[in-house]
Amino acid sequence: DTAVSQTPKYLVTQMGNDKSIKCEQNLGHDTMYWYKQDSKKFLKIMFSYNNKELIINETVPNRFSPKSPDKAHLNLHINSLELGDSAVYFCASSQRRDGEETQYFGPGTRLLVL
Amino acid sequence: KQEVTQIPAALSVPEGENLVLNCSFTDSAIYNLQWFRQDPGKGLTSLLLIQSSQREQTSGRLNASLDKSSGRSTLYIAASQPGDSATYLCAVDSSASKIIFGSGTRLSIRP
Repeated sequence: DTAVSQTPKYLVTQMGNDKSIKCEQNLGHDTMYWYKQDSKKFLKIMFSYNNKELIINETVPNRFSPKSPDKAHLNLHINSLELGDSAVYFCASSQRRDGEETQYFGPGTRLLVL
Repeated sequence: KQEVTQIPAALSVPEGENLVLNCSFTDSAIYNLQWFRQDPGKGLTSLLLIQSSQREQTSGRLNASLDKSSGRSTLYIAASQPGDSATYLCAVDSSASKIIFGSGTRLSIRP
């Protein structure tokens, strides 16, 4: 019954590795997001997809590549991981209705790069 | 179970007025509280973050306060402008990776 799910929940890896985080939503929403929560706990948007099309791409290193195989999934692939990539990554989905939009967040993926 | 409530759900004020948005939460055991702004079709933009040990944070015309004991936070916007029109959400971080959002206050600033 989980609305927005992410896997894995925890990820510990070495510098230079390539890793992926998966996100799935079963709410039928059209829009999905990836956020990074930095060490100061700020949430910063990274990407947004609407119906599998990229609509927001903030200033993120191109080592980060989102992939949306369908509108229920938005995966995040990270190449050549660096120490500074350590953070909690949140996926979210939303649907606009009557001018209103509520974002539903996944539980987060805690990434630690050693 | 943490619950976050925002009142009012919608607010319309004339340009230039000062205003206050309210956020309440049921469990005072929080790590931090964050105020966000959401514009239609866009992601959330973080405005202010208050750690559990802090009482307030200020950024420009925005001031956020936190009273953990009463489970309340306010976002004060001074000299409101039409560009401030958006939905404002507060979010409480109650555990390492779970953020609970309020339902938001839709703010409209009339020119």
